[in-house]
Amino acid sequence: GENVEQHPSTLSVQEGDSAVIKCTYSDSASNYFPWYKQELGKRPQLIIDIRSNVGEKKDQRIAVTLNKTAKHFSLHITETQPEDSAVYFCHPRDMRFGAGTRLTVKP
Amino acid sequence: NAGVTQTPKFRVLKTGQSMTLLCAQDMNHEYMYWYRQDPGMGLRLIHYSVGEGTTAKGEVPDGYNVSRLKKQNFLLGLESAAPSQTSVYFCASTPGLELPSSYEQYFGPGTRLTVT
Repeated sequence: GENVEQHPSTLSVQEGDSAVIKCTYSDSASNYFPWYKQELGKRPQLIIDIRSNVGEKKDQRIAVTLNKTAKHFSLHITETQPEDSAVYFCHPRDMRFGAGTRLTVKP
Repeated sequence: NAGVTQTPKFRVLKTGQSMTLLCAQDMNHEYMYWYRQDPGMGLRLIHYSVGEGTTAKGEVPDGYNVSRLKKQNFLLGLESAAPSQTSVYFCASTPGLELPSSYEQYFGPGTRLTVT
């Protein structure tokens, strides 16, 4: 069956440091790889996505990289700020959501 | 545009009671989804719809029924509520067409359901 694994499950960094979250999936047919951010008590919202015809996409302090051969993609957040504290989910197209990574950015 | 809205925001049920959660979207999206999110956990798909009049089972469909009589609405029903159904329920929609942004899921604000 389909398998989506997200690591780490929790991540704590100092403000200004970088954070990396990895998502590994099993379905090689998937062609859309988004990351969602969910703040406490709020709804999940898309923050960045990538399609299988590109390897990297950046949007200011966040980036997503894709390795389709190895079937994993990663979320990179640079110069982290306290407002980056949230739970992040990966969701390869037509597969389940990852279990989530709770990121805490300490001031 | 209101986007995706959910009614009600909160509800407390007793075991065995029934209720319907309403999801509405004004973006003319084809696909709609119902998820549940338990504390500290991810989102699990209950049922989904790929168009008006269609429904399909997701990962955890047992104990729930759905209907999509109108394109803009997706209803989730609990016929006989159980404490295990205590959760936050999120509705989401996507355009469903082969467009660059067609796969992004737009979520509603959620419904917090407690079954005692």
